[in-house]
Amino acid sequence: AQSVTQPDIHITVSEGASLELRCNYSYGATPYLFWYVQSPGQGLQLLLKYFSGDTLVQGIKGFEAEFKRSQSSFNLRKPSVHWSDAAEYFCAVTNDYKLSFGAGTTVTVRA
Amino acid sequence: NAGVTQTPKFQVLKTGQSMTLQCAQDMNHEYMSWYRQDPGMGLRLIHYSVGAGITDQGEVPNGYNVSRSTTEDFPLRLLSAAPSQTSVYFCASSYSRGDHEQYFGPGTRLTVT
Repeated sequence: AQSVTQPDIHITVSEGASLELRCNYSYGATPYLFWYVQSPGQGLQLLLKYFSGDTLVQGIKGFEAEFKRSQSSFNLRKPSVHWSDAAEYFCAVTNDYKLSFGAGTTVTVRA
Repeated sequence: NAGVTQTPKFQVLKTGQSMTLQCAQDMNHEYMSWYRQDPGMGLRLIHYSVGAGITDQGEVPNGYNVSRSTTEDFPLRLLSAAPSQTSVYFCASSYSRGDHEQYFGPGTRLTVT
């Protein structure tokens, strides 16, 4: 069965600093991978996705993620964090239409 | 397009009551699904549908029923609400199996007392 682990429950980062959120997946075949963001009281918004091809994926809001098959990882990065990036971030994996989500990482941005 | 819409936004139920959470999409998507979100657990799949007339169970289906009589609508029914069903519920849809991106509704926050 597919599963996703996000090792960091909560990360605090200073505005302007870089951010990296970790995601490890377990899946037997080539996975389809996603990062979603959820602002407080809101629904989920897709940041980026990886289906195949280039292992470095660019997304919205200046985010990127790198797929590393050898490490079963799909880490999310942003070079310079803005206060508006404070939110909860979810990594997800699917092989068809059933998404399996990680538990999420809450990002706090301090001034 | 309105995308994926959900009603109501908030609901409070007493234990044992039943209700239906509504979900509709206007994107002609084949696939629709329901998730619940609980703190520290991410989103868990309740039920899903691959097209009108076809539904199947997800990871946590107990206590919930679904039906898919039209492409647009995918209601979630709570048969006899329990406090353990207090959660935020999200409906999602996607165009096809080949296009795995799912579009999420704004959510329904349900409290069962």
